Amino acid sequence: QKEVEQNSGPLSVPEGAIASLNCTYSDRGSQSFFWYRQYSGKSPELIMFIYSNGDKEDGRFTAQLNKASQYVSLLIRDSQPSDSATYLCAVKAASYDKVIFGPGTSLSVIP
Amino acid sequence: GAGVSQTPSNKVTEKGKYVELRCDPISGHTALYWYRQSLGQGPEFLIYFQGTGAADDSGLPNDRFFAVRPEGSVSTLKIQRTERGDSAVYLCASSVNTGELFFGEGSRLTVL
Repeated sequence: QKEVEQNSGPLSVPEGAIASLNCTYSDRGSQSFFWYRQYSGKSPELIMFIYSNGDKEDGRFTAQLNKASQYVSLLIRDSQPSDSATYLCAVKAASYDKVIFGPGTSLSVIP
Repeated sequence: GAGVSQTPSNKVTEKGKYVELRCDPISGHTALYWYRQSLGQGPEFLIYFQGTGAADDSGLPNDRFFAVRPEGSVSTLKIQRTERGDSAVYLCASSVNTGELFFGEGSRLTVL
């Protein structure tokens, strides 16, 4: 079982719609969860982090965490063509500082 | 600059050669990570430094790969006897220990 799993996509949504990206992780000791965005040919950049169960909102982005289900998601409201990128889920355990990335989900927002 | 700097940005080498990739982290960031990313895949963890010491090198694929950070700042990833399968983008990231990583632009390695 891979440590961090994501649907590879591609996920296509029309402009203005909500994009929903999902991630599951295997290590129950994981404590910190991150979403990175990676444009084609560029490096990943951090867009959200969440440490506690529940929802965390930042502008058009909402991260959701359910530790019991070992599940974290990212919602992008009012999707824009500029949101088209690969979204990487990353997980860090409390017992060590290694940050593990999932394979990424490719999102395409269609004008 | 204020960001993570990686050199070279592009390296083409022949199979069997030795390669060094350098990373200069953000000033004050004590944590430094190396990842390898192949096309269409997520970053693959290689090694993590806390200060000068390698806190976790469990991701290094074999003993041809080695990394150092002698003064707790700049790090060098060293690859001996390169193989075609080593071709990838090597990403360096630094952090203030929260897991919130700031990445450099990467070093693209091509082994012919």
